[in-house]
Amino acid sequence: DQQVKQNSPSLSVQEGRISILNCDYTNSMFDYFLWYKKYPAEGPTFLISISSIKDKNEDGRFTVFLNKSAKHLSLHIVPSQPGDSAVYFCAASGGNTGKLIFGQGTTLQVKP
Amino acid sequence: NAGVTQTPKFQVLKTGQSMTLQCAQDMNHEYMSWYRQDPGMGLRLIHYSVGAGITDQGEVPNGYNVSRSTTEDFPLRLLSAAPSQTSVYFCASRPGLASNEQFFGPGTRLTVL
Repeated sequence: DQQVKQNSPSLSVQEGRISILNCDYTNSMFDYFLWYKKYPAEGPTFLISISSIKDKNEDGRFTVFLNKSAKHLSLHIVPSQPGDSAVYFCAASGGNTGKLIFGQGTTLQVKP
Repeated sequence: NAGVTQTPKFQVLKTGQSMTLQCAQDMNHEYMSWYRQDPGMGLRLIHYSVGAGITDQGEVPNGYNVSRSTTEDFPLRLLSAAPSQTSVYFCASRPGLASNEQFFGPGTRLTVL
Protein backbone atom coordinates (compact mmCIF):
# COMPACT_ATOMS: atom_id res chain seq x y z
CA ASP A 1 0.00 0.00 0.00
CA GLN A 2 1.66 3.17 -1.27
CA GLN A 3 1.38 5.82 1.45
CA VAL A 4 2.98 8.54 -0.68
CA LYS A 5 1.95 8.77 -4.31
CA GLN A 6 3.20 10.77 -7.25
CA ASN A 7 0.73 9.97 -9.98
CA SER A 8 2.53 11.71 -12.83
CA PRO A 9 5.57 9.70 -13.94
CA SER A 10 6.81 12.52 -16.15
CA LEU A 11 6.39 16.21 -16.90
CA SER A 12 7.77 18.32 -19.73
CA VAL A 13 7.86 22.13 -19.62
CA GLN A 14 9.47 24.94 -21.59
CA GLU A 15 12.37 26.86 -20.11
CA GLY A 16 11.16 29.93 -18.22
CA ARG A 17 7.70 28.52 -17.54
CA ILE A 18 6.37 27.11 -14.27
CA SER A 19 6.81 23.45 -13.34
CA ILE A 20 4.26 21.99 -10.93
CA LEU A 21 4.91 18.59 -9.42
CA ASN A 22 2.23 16.94 -7.31
CA CYS A 23 2.21 14.47 -4.45
CA ASP A 24 -0.58 12.85 -2.42
CA TYR A 25 -0.36 10.98 0.86
CA THR A 26 -2.72 8.76 2.79
CA ASN A 27 -1.28 8.60 6.31
CA SER A 28 -2.66 11.38 8.52
CA MET A 29 0.24 10.82 10.96
CA PHE A 30 2.70 12.37 8.51
CA ASP A 31 3.75 15.78 9.80
CA TYR A 32 6.82 16.66 7.76
CA PHE A 33 7.24 16.63 4.01
CA LEU A 34 10.30 16.92 1.81
CA TRP A 35 11.23 17.11 -1.85
CA TYR A 36 14.38 15.51 -3.20
CA LYS A 37 15.99 15.88 -6.59
CA LYS A 38 17.93 13.10 -8.29
CA TYR A 39 20.22 13.18 -11.29
CA PRO A 40 21.16 9.94 -13.11
CA ALA A 41 23.88 7.87 -11.41
CA GLU A 42 23.79 10.05 -8.29
CA GLY A 43 22.07 9.84 -4.92
CA PRO A 44 19.03 12.02 -4.20
CA THR A 45 19.73 15.47 -2.78
CA PHE A 46 17.49 17.48 -0.49
CA LEU A 47 15.64 20.35 -2.14
CA ILE A 48 13.00 21.85 0.17
CA SER A 49 10.75 20.80 3.03
CA ILE A 50 7.61 21.86 4.90
CA SER A 51 6.19 21.15 8.31
CA SER A 52 2.51 20.36 8.71
CA ILE A 53 2.03 23.55 10.74
CA LYS A 54 2.68 25.57 7.58
CA ASP A 55 0.94 25.66 4.23
CA LYS A 56 3.74 27.20 2.19
CA ASN A 57 7.52 27.32 2.18
CA GLU A 58 9.63 29.19 -0.30
CA ASP A 59 13.32 28.96 -1.21
CA GLY A 60 14.37 30.94 -4.24
CA ARG A 61 12.73 29.50 -7.34
CA PHE A 62 11.22 26.62 -5.37
CA THR A 63 7.97 26.77 -3.40
CA VAL A 64 6.22 23.89 -1.69
CA PHE A 65 2.50 24.10 -0.89
CA LEU A 66 0.74 21.82 1.59
CA ASN A 67 -3.01 21.20 1.71
CA LYS A 68 -3.54 19.04 4.78
CA SER A 69 -7.28 18.60 4.33
CA ALA A 70 -6.70 17.18 0.86
CA LYS A 71 -3.51 15.34 1.93
CA HIS A 72 -1.79 16.92 -1.03
CA LEU A 73 1.43 18.80 -1.60
CA SER A 74 2.96 20.38 -4.64
CA LEU A 75 6.33 21.75 -5.69
CA HIS A 76 6.43 24.82 -7.91
CA ILE A 77 9.56 25.76 -9.82
CA VAL A 78 9.54 29.26 -11.30
CA PRO A 79 11.14 29.93 -13.68
CA SER A 80 12.13 26.45 -14.82
CA GLN A 81 15.65 25.98 -16.14
CA PRO A 82 17.19 23.14 -18.19
CA GLY A 83 19.39 22.26 -15.20
CA ASP A 84 16.21 21.44 -13.27
CA SER A 85 15.72 18.37 -15.47
CA ALA A 86 15.86 15.46 -13.02
CA VAL A 87 13.70 13.01 -11.10
CA TYR A 88 11.85 14.61 -8.20
CA PHE A 89 10.77 12.56 -5.21
CA CYS A 90 8.40 13.67 -2.53
CA ALA A 91 8.79 12.13 0.92
CA ALA A 92 6.90 12.19 4.19
CA SER A 93 7.63 11.34 7.80
CA GLY A 94 5.72 11.24 11.06
CA GLY A 95 5.28 9.36 14.29
CA ASN A 96 8.05 8.30 16.63
CA THR A 97 10.11 6.18 14.24
CA GLY A 98 11.22 8.99 11.95
CA LYS A 99 10.85 6.74 8.91
CA LEU A 100 10.99 8.71 5.67
CA ILE A 101 8.60 7.28 3.06
CA PHE A 102 9.06 8.24 -0.58
CA GLY A 103 6.80 8.49 -3.59
CA GLN A 104 7.49 6.92 -6.97
CA GLY A 105 9.12 10.01 -8.43
CA THR A 106 8.33 12.35 -11.33
CA THR A 107 10.80 12.88 -14.16
CA LEU A 108 10.91 16.56 -15.09
CA GLN A 109 12.26 17.62 -18.46
CA VAL A 110 12.81 21.34 -19.05
CA LYS A 111 13.24 22.10 -22.73
CA PRO A 112 15.44 25.03 -23.82
CA ASN B 1 34.04 15.29 4.96
CA ALA B 2 33.37 12.44 2.54
CA GLY B 3 29.69 12.38 3.56
CA VAL B 4 27.96 9.06 2.89
CA THR B 5 30.06 6.53 0.99
CA GLN B 6 28.91 3.23 -0.50
CA THR B 7 30.88 0.31 -1.89
CA PRO B 8 30.86 -1.28 -4.36
CA LYS B 9 29.40 0.95 -7.08
CA PHE B 10 28.41 -2.03 -9.22
CA GLN B 11 27.96 -5.72 -8.44
CA VAL B 12 26.74 -8.77 -10.35
CA LEU B 13 25.69 -11.84 -8.38
CA LYS B 14 24.34 -15.25 -9.22
CA THR B 15 21.12 -16.44 -7.61
CA GLY B 16 21.85 -17.86 -4.18
CA GLN B 17 25.10 -15.98 -3.61
CA SER B 18 25.52 -13.77 -0.58
CA MET B 19 27.14 -10.37 -0.28
CA THR B 20 27.33 -7.28 1.86
CA LEU B 21 26.79 -3.74 0.63
CA GLN B 22 28.91 -1.34 2.63
CA CYS B 23 27.80 2.08 3.86
CA ALA B 24 29.78 4.53 5.95
CA GLN B 25 29.31 8.13 7.02
CA ASP B 26 31.74 10.53 8.67
CA MET B 27 29.23 13.12 9.89
CA ASN B 28 28.57 11.46 13.28
CA HIS B 29 24.95 10.94 12.30
CA GLU B 30 22.85 8.75 14.57
CA TYR B 31 20.13 7.81 12.05
CA MET B 32 20.91 5.66 8.99
CA SER B 33 18.69 4.00 6.40
CA TRP B 34 18.83 1.70 3.40
CA TYR B 35 16.56 2.18 0.38
CA ARG B 36 16.15 0.42 -2.92
CA GLN B 37 15.08 2.20 -6.09
CA ASP B 38 13.13 0.36 -8.75
CA PRO B 39 11.41 1.73 -11.88
CA GLY B 40 7.88 2.90 -11.10
CA MET B 41 8.32 2.13 -7.39
CA GLY B 42 10.39 5.06 -6.23
CA LEU B 43 12.59 4.70 -3.17
CA ARG B 44 11.46 2.01 -0.73
CA LEU B 45 12.81 1.76 2.79
CA ILE B 46 14.47 -1.59 3.58
CA HIS B 47 15.88 -1.16 7.11
CA TYR B 48 16.83 1.73 9.32
CA SER B 49 18.77 2.40 12.50
CA VAL B 50 18.26 5.18 15.05
CA GLY B 51 21.67 4.58 16.63
CA ALA B 52 24.43 2.07 17.21
CA GLY B 53 23.02 -1.27 18.31
CA ILE B 54 19.46 -0.46 17.21
CA THR B 55 17.89 -1.50 13.91
CA ASP B 56 14.35 -1.90 12.64
CA GLN B 57 12.47 -2.96 9.53
CA GLY B 58 11.21 -0.65 6.82
CA GLU B 59 8.70 -1.28 4.03
CA VAL B 60 10.53 -4.11 2.22
CA PRO B 61 12.84 -5.91 4.71
CA ASN B 62 12.51 -9.49 3.48
CA GLY B 63 15.74 -11.01 2.17
CA TYR B 64 17.96 -8.40 3.84
CA ASN B 65 19.78 -8.21 7.16
CA VAL B 66 21.46 -5.23 8.80
CA SER B 67 23.54 -4.54 11.87
CA ARG B 68 24.86 -1.33 13.43
CA SER B 69 27.87 -2.00 15.62
CA THR B 70 29.31 1.51 15.18
CA THR B 71 27.85 4.95 14.53
CA GLU B 72 29.77 5.20 11.25
CA ASP B 73 28.89 1.93 9.50
CA PHE B 74 25.59 0.37 8.43
CA PRO B 75 26.15 -2.67 6.19
CA LEU B 76 23.31 -4.37 4.30
CA ARG B 77 23.55 -8.14 3.85
CA LEU B 78 21.89 -10.26 1.21
CA LEU B 79 22.05 -13.84 2.51
CA SER B 80 20.81 -15.61 -0.64
CA ALA B 81 20.42 -13.26 -3.58
CA ALA B 82 17.36 -13.50 -5.83
CA PRO B 83 16.67 -11.84 -9.20
CA SER B 84 13.94 -9.77 -7.48
CA GLN B 85 16.73 -8.03 -5.56
CA THR B 86 18.16 -6.54 -8.74
CA SER B 87 17.97 -2.83 -7.96
CA VAL B 88 19.88 0.31 -7.12
CA TYR B 89 20.56 0.55 -3.40
CA PHE B 90 20.98 3.83 -1.55
CA CYS B 91 22.23 4.37 1.95
CA ALA B 92 21.28 7.57 3.78
CA SER B 93 22.07 9.25 7.07
CA ARG B 94 20.81 12.17 9.12
CA PRO B 95 21.81 13.69 12.47
CA GLY B 96 19.01 12.11 14.50
CA LEU B 97 15.34 11.32 14.85
CA ALA B 98 14.38 14.98 15.13
CA SER B 99 16.13 15.90 11.88
CA ASN B 100 14.24 14.96 8.73
CA GLU B 101 16.75 15.99 6.06
CA GLN B 102 18.65 12.91 4.92
CA PHE B 103 21.96 12.78 3.09
CA PHE B 104 22.26 10.02 0.49
CA GLY B 105 25.22 8.06 -0.78
CA PRO B 106 25.88 7.62 -4.52
CA GLY B 107 24.25 4.20 -4.70
CA THR B 108 25.18 0.60 -5.53
CA ARG B 109 23.78 -0.95 -8.70
CA LEU B 110 23.18 -4.66 -8.07
CA THR B 111 22.25 -7.23 -10.69
CA VAL B 112 21.27 -10.76 -9.69
CA LEU B 113 21.31 -13.29 -12.52
